[in-house]
Amino acid sequence: SAVISQKPSRDICQRGTSLTIQCQVDSQVTMMFWYRQQPGQSLTLIATANQGSEATYESGFVIDKFPISRPNLTFSTLTVSNMSPEDSSIYLCSVRTGGYGYTFGSGTRLTVV
Amino acid sequence: AQSVTQPDIHITVSEGASLELRCNYSYGATPYLFWYVQSPGQGLQLLLKYFSGDTLVQGIKGFEAEFKRSQSSFNLRKPSVHWSDAAEYFCAVARTGGSQGNLIFGKGTKLSVKP
Repeated sequence: SAVISQKPSRDICQRGTSLTIQCQVDSQVTMMFWYRQQPGQSLTLIATANQGSEATYESGFVIDKFPISRPNLTFSTLTVSNMSPEDSSIYLCSVRTGGYGYTFGSGTRLTVV
Repeated sequence: AQSVTQPDIHITVSEGASLELRCNYSYGATPYLFWYVQSPGQGLQLLLKYFSGDTLVQGIKGFEAEFKRSQSSFNLRKPSVHWSDAAEYFCAVARTGGSQGNLIFGKGTKLSVKP
């Protein structure tokens, strides 16, 4: 299965600023996903980032707030823009490999103050 | 659309007791089902998964789950719980069709273990 390196692992940011989260995969994968896990909650899909196409956002998430880049088959970034305290969450990237095998990054714990 | 329901938000069991965490799914065809565990401050760890075949699936850490199509369920079980099993447990189903392929998660069940 793939191995994902996600950075940063945690950050404390001022409201109104932006944070870019990176995910590096050790193999080429087509499907990559970004999730948000709000405190005490489950994982909610933000968007699907397939290489070669624009990211597909789920209802309630917009590109201006969560721009995503997917320049190649091993790398993606998620930016959380113009942050507010409500954006304090864990953000996780995930890839699908070999049919229905899923690997998750270790997550980025974001606190907005 | 696929969905997952975990009816129990929080369960407390005594150490050494048996455990069953409930999961119901909504999907017309044969679903791809997963159970994950998340310990406090930790990432997600896959416990087991079901795609097809034998409906009783064995996983890591002594966990097993049984797929019951007639009940649209995929309940997680463990015969004897250890204190280290205290964590959040998520049931998930794979989204299929088109370019979508993510997992859809239930809301999770928090497991507390009494000494």
